[in-house]
Amino acid sequence: GAVVSQHPSRVICKSGTSVKIECRSLDFQATTMFWYRQFPKQSLMLMATSNEGSKATYEQGVEKDKFLINHASLTLSTLTVTSAHPEDSSFYICSATTGGSGNTIYFGEGSWLTVV
Amino acid sequence: TQLLEQSPQFLSIQEGENLTVYCNSSSVFSSLQWYRQEPGEGPVLLVTVVTGGEVKKLKRLTFQFGDARKDSSLHITAAQPGDTGLYLCAPGGSNYKLTFGKGTLLTVNP
Repeated sequence: GAVVSQHPSRVICKSGTSVKIECRSLDFQATTMFWYRQFPKQSLMLMATSNEGSKATYEQGVEKDKFLINHASLTLSTLTVTSAHPEDSSFYICSATTGGSGNTIYFGEGSWLTVV
Repeated sequence: TQLLEQSPQFLSIQEGENLTVYCNSSSVFSSLQWYRQEPGEGPVLLVTVVTGGEVKKLKRLTFQFGDARKDSSLHITAAQPGDTGLYLCAPGGSNYKLTFGKGTLLTVNP
């Protein structure tokens, strides 16, 4: 079946540095990818919708200059957390869809970011 | 964006008990999806309900879509520790962003 892969699964970075998380659709073309953030014991919060070849659409309250999203191909979207701070530490999850009326969504395994 | 309310937010029960969790909205949906997420993993799709009044069963899990397609429920019979997780609902359909309810965090104690 369809698989969405995230990398890295865990990353630790120092405050002030930037870190990139990749989301790949392995056996299908993802016209749209979504990025979520999740704190412990809480639901997934949608950060942005990423469409291939166009600028991402950010949800209200999400800083687009801090969370840079690039969707340069139909199989890859990246989330870059710039100038990371400890409060950016979280679980980041991507999902991808083939689009269309069926709108099947496939989720990545998630990436744990710890900023120290 | 369609707002979904899930209840209860937290639920802790003993193995063997039955439970029901709810997903409610004032909006009408073409379909609703239920997911389960275990700690440190991505959500896994359990079911999509499409028709008003529809009931779908997945082993001990019974999903119902309200007649008006505004709400849904998930009933688990004889819960097991393996059912522990975060249960999320989200609207389906290609016209919706996949925004989840706050979820129900279920703990089934042995």
